[in-house]
Amino acid sequence: QVQLQESGPGLVKPSQTLSLTCTVSGDSISSGGYYWSWIRQHPGKGLEWIGYIYHRGSTYSGSTDYNPSLKSRVTMSVDTSKNQFSLQLTSVSAADTAIYYCARDAGYRLLYGYFQHWGQGTLVTVSS
Amino acid sequence: EVVMTQSPATLSVSPGERATLSCRASQSVGSNLAWYQQKPGQAPRLLIYGASTRATGIPARFSGSGSGAEFTLTVSSLQSEDSAVYYCQQYNTWTPWTFGQGTKVEIK
Repeated sequence: QVQLQESGPGLVKPSQTLSLTCTVSGDSISSGGYYWSWIRQHPGKGLEWIGYIYHRGSTYSGSTDYNPSLKSRVTMSVDTSKNQFSLQLTSVSAADTAIYYCARDAGYRLLYGYFQHWGQGTLVTVSS
Repeated sequence: EVVMTQSPATLSVSPGERATLSCRASQSVGSNLAWYQQKPGQAPRLLIYGASTRATGIPARFSGSGSGAEFTLTVSSLQSEDSAVYYCQQYNTWTPWTFGQGTKVEIK
């Protein structure tokens, strides 16, 4: 059974970079079976898809796609040695305060666009 | 981007009664619609995909219907554990995939 766990600082200062990691167990990111996403939820609000990353093998660089609303500030990457994928969001403001979830797409080697498995989420607060 | 609108914002239902939640898309999304349940302090849980297919382990009292731009999630006989916020999500467009703002289901 696949499990996902987010980690990273809970407090980030305005204008700095938010960096989060999702550690995957029960599946191998580099096997190329699934697409891996980040989704966030502003306090008491709805859900916002941030982007996904797909990676296969040790040499393939992978593919990404990001929400246009965040694209200029988002970078996702994979660390195959640790079976982790990461999110970097630059130039953060209070509007980026949210619970950040990592999730696995439901499709095997296909991009379905909905999510069967989620991490528990991590709250990131942007404040000085 | 496709805007998803859910109604009502809050629904109060007695145990054993039927709960009907609505989700409307700003343009047709075919049957590419998922429903999630979220309880306080938890991640969303996939209930329905393809507008009407229950995900693994989801009780039969949950059902989804609709296509195009109008969708419904029905809980046929509400249980106390069904108290939660329910979100719809479209995945028809390549990206960005978008969610509704949620319907909170309360038990009377």
